[in-house]
Amino acid sequence: DVQLVESGGALVQPGGSLRLSCVASRFTLSNYWMQWVRQAPGKGLEWVANINRDGKEQNYVDSVKGRFTISRDNAKNSLYLQMNSLRVEDTAVYYCVRDNDVKHNSYWLDIYDIWGQGTMVTVSS
Amino acid sequence: AIQMTQSPSSLSASVGDRVTITCRASQGIRNDLGWYQQKPGKAPQVLIYGASSLQSGVPSRFSGSGSGTDFTLTISSLQPEDFATYYCLQDYTYPRTFGQGTKVEIK
Repeated sequence: DVQLVESGGALVQPGGSLRLSCVASRFTLSNYWMQWVRQAPGKGLEWVANINRDGKEQNYVDSVKGRFTISRDNAKNSLYLQMNSLRVEDTAVYYCVRDNDVKHNSYWLDIYDIWGQGTMVTVSS
Repeated sequence: AIQMTQSPSSLSASVGDRVTITCRASQGIRNDLGWYQQKPGKAPQVLIYGASSLQSGVPSRFSGSGSGTDFTLTISSLQPEDFATYYCLQDYTYPRTFGQGTKVEIK
């Protein structure tokens, strides 16, 4: 089956760093935009960041700009999220998500069609 | 950032009921809107993209409508497996933003 598998979640102290990884199976990562979406315990979904097919364009939610970096290694079929200066409010399950975008007239529509199982990041002292 | 406001935040319904969830954007987003279903302990799944296009494999009892600022997700006849939380997501601009979610519970 087509799937995404995340790893790297852990318990870390405030101010610490963590690197999440996501490996794609049975599809070629380089054909897709990819994103990270997170969900704090008992809360809703929050889009965190995305990256284009060749890795040259990234976008972030304001709350993580300057602290998180999304990257990819298409040769390894892998996506990453480097998280620095972690805060208690970054505690969440982090999902790796494929965007199977489609063209509609002159613009593109996102379809987040494949999600990983999630990896838990806990920021606490 | 564009704010997405869903209503209601929760609802109770019976199997066979028609259910409608609304999502309002703080500014116009064309039809750049998706709907996602999430069951407890699971990752979300896409139901609708482009406001009204049904994702492959999703039952036809799900439908979406709307454009601009006001959108609707309708479940024509609620089934036991539909009890879940539903989120709208705008993909018109960055940052992408989700609605706060609507929890559909069994009456």
